[in-house]
Amino acid sequence: GIQVEQSPPDLILQEGANSTLRCNFSDSVNNLQWFHQNPWGQLINLFYIPSGTKQNGRLSATTVATERYSLLYISSSQTTDSGVYFCAGTLFSGGYNKLIFGAGTRLAVHP
Amino acid sequence: DTGVSQDPRHKITKRGQNVTFRCDPISEHNRLYWYRQTLGQGPEFLTYFQNEAQLEKSRLLSDRFSAERPKGSFSTLEIQRTEQGDSAMYLCASSLLQGSTGELFFGEGSRLTVL
Repeated sequence: GIQVEQSPPDLILQEGANSTLRCNFSDSVNNLQWFHQNPWGQLINLFYIPSGTKQNGRLSATTVATERYSLLYISSSQTTDSGVYFCAGTLFSGGYNKLIFGAGTRLAVHP
Repeated sequence: DTGVSQDPRHKITKRGQNVTFRCDPISEHNRLYWYRQTLGQGPEFLTYFQNEAQLEKSRLLSDRFSAERPKGSFSTLEIQRTEQGDSAMYLCASSLLQGSTGELFFGEGSRLTVL
């Protein structure tokens, strides 16, 4: 199966700083999604981004499917951005969207 | 609220007991998934339903686990003779069938602690 590698595994930021999280895939994927897991454990959808670039407020994401990676940008970070960020994707040849997750990036934003 | 809902949110049980979790997907979604997440890890796929048909089961789903989606709407995940290693967050997700594409939406999860 595909391998999903996220970097960095841990990230500490001062409030207001910018950051970039990366997700690499071992094989071509589609249905790529980014999630934020809140302290209560719920996975919050950030982006559904099989390719291209999307922006939502202070967050934006870019997926380069041909090179098997995706990036999540967080600008002007806030303490509420703290938590775990996951990327997930399915095999391009898969018959349905069984997401395979990375191990996550644990972000802590300090005031 | 029209999101994915799961019940119970928390369950503490003694080893050897049976537990059942329920998932109500987003109403128009015909695909339903169960995932398991242990501390410090990403969610791992357990099983998938398209309408009422269970189309794939992970090797993580031992014989003590059974999932159903009897009418293609809500789903249940039962764990028999629980073991301490079953302690985890059990996540349900749903999506709308659109060929091979589609975005998954997750519920808040059911956290199981086996003593």
